[in-house]
Amino acid sequence: SQELEQSPQSLIVQEGKNLTINCTSSKTLYGLYWYKQKYGEGLIFLMMLQKGGEEKSHEKITAKLDEKKQQSSLHITASQPSHAGIYLCGAGGNSGNTPLVFGKGTRLSVIA
Amino acid sequence: DAGVTQSPTHLIKTRGQHVTLRCSPISGHKSVSWYQQVLGQGPQFIFQYYEKEERGRGNFPDRFSARQFPNYSSELNVNALLLGDSALYLCASSLGGTVPRVNSPLHFGNGTRLTVT
Repeated sequence: SQELEQSPQSLIVQEGKNLTINCTSSKTLYGLYWYKQKYGEGLIFLMMLQKGGEEKSHEKITAKLDEKKQQSSLHITASQPSHAGIYLCGAGGNSGNTPLVFGKGTRLSVIA
Repeated sequence: DAGVTQSPTHLIKTRGQHVTLRCSPISGHKSVSWYQQVLGQGPQFIFQYYEKEERGRGNFPDRFSARQFPNYSSELNVNALLLGDSALYLCASSLGGTVPRVNSPLHFGNGTRLTVT
């Protein structure tokens, strides 16, 4: 079965600093999803990547999928307190009905 | 448009009891999935339903069951509750289908926090 490993497990950054979260898969990724979760709440969809080398951006968050499609990174530029939360990567198979497998998450704290 | 709605938001049960959690998907979404998230872990897949049929089941005991109704809403039932069933139960909906839907990610509700004492 597919397993996703996220690093780091937790991160504390000063407001305004850049940061990167990584997600590594044990198998080729057919679809890689990034979600954000506030503590105890549901997951908010951020971005989905499918093609090797693909890169997507939304506001100050950029996600990339490597050419081999086994690793993804999430980069936040000029972090703000609103970026704080748990970031989860999820991987799906090549079917619209394949359930997502998630990593354990990276807890991000942004301090003033 | 309303997102995925789940009820109740919080629930406290005693060991051995039974619980039913409910989920209404986004309008137009035909697939509903259930996930269990324990503290400090990522969500774990429990069930997926599409067009009222079970399309996937995770590694959970038979105490866990679910169903999807004609209006695509869904219920998750857990019998003989154990302390270890305490978790955030998340429901997610998507367009679903039998072909890859590249633009149809899972959309999650805010979950039901279940505490078993």
